[in-house]
Amino acid sequence: AQSVTQPDIHITVSEGASLELRCNYSYGATPYLFWYVQSPGQCLQLLLKYFSGDTLVQGIKGFEAEFKRSQSSFNLRKPSVHWSDAAEYFCAVAERSGANNLFFGTGTRLTVIP
Amino acid sequence: NAGVTQTPKFQVLKTGQSMTLQCAQDMNHEYMSWYRQDPGMGLRLIHYSVGAGITDQGEVPNGYNVSRSTTEDFPLRLLSAAPSQTSVYFCASSELGETQYFGPGTRLLVL
Repeated sequence: AQSVTQPDIHITVSEGASLELRCNYSYGATPYLFWYVQSPGQCLQLLLKYFSGDTLVQGIKGFEAEFKRSQSSFNLRKPSVHWSDAAEYFCAVAERSGANNLFFGTGTRLTVIP
Repeated sequence: NAGVTQTPKFQVLKTGQSMTLQCAQDMNHEYMSWYRQDPGMGLRLIHYSVGAGITDQGEVPNGYNVSRSTTEDFPLRLLSAAPSQTSVYFCASSELGETQYFGPGTRLLVL
């Protein structure tokens, strides 16, 4: 069965520090991969996605993610965190064929301290 | 374009009551879906549709019904609400094989 694991429930970083959020997936074949962000009281916003090609994907707000097939991982990174990045981050996967159904990880809550 | 809209924003129900959560999109997307979000659980797929007249079950369909009579609308029905259905509900839409766009959510409390 497919699964998405975000091992860090809560991460705290200082403003200006670098950030890496981990995501591992278990799937029959390489799925489509996504990172979404949810600010308090807001709906989900797509940060970036990987369908094929270059395994280093650039997204909005200065985020990037790297797909590593050998590790079944799709970790999200940002070189310098801003206070406005405080939010909950969700990794998600979808099958390459058929419907668009997303399977989400349980999320990582990011706190940014000044 | 309004994108994906959901009504109501917030609802309180008593156990056993029924209600319909509305979802509409104006992007002519074929795919629409409903997710529920619970603390520590992420988002889980309830039902989805790949076009008018076509619906199917997701991970957690029990207690919910859907229909898709038009491309634009995808209502979610709770026939007999239970406290376990207290959650935040998100509707999403997309072209098939493309990125999903999420609505603002409906917060439901079942007493």
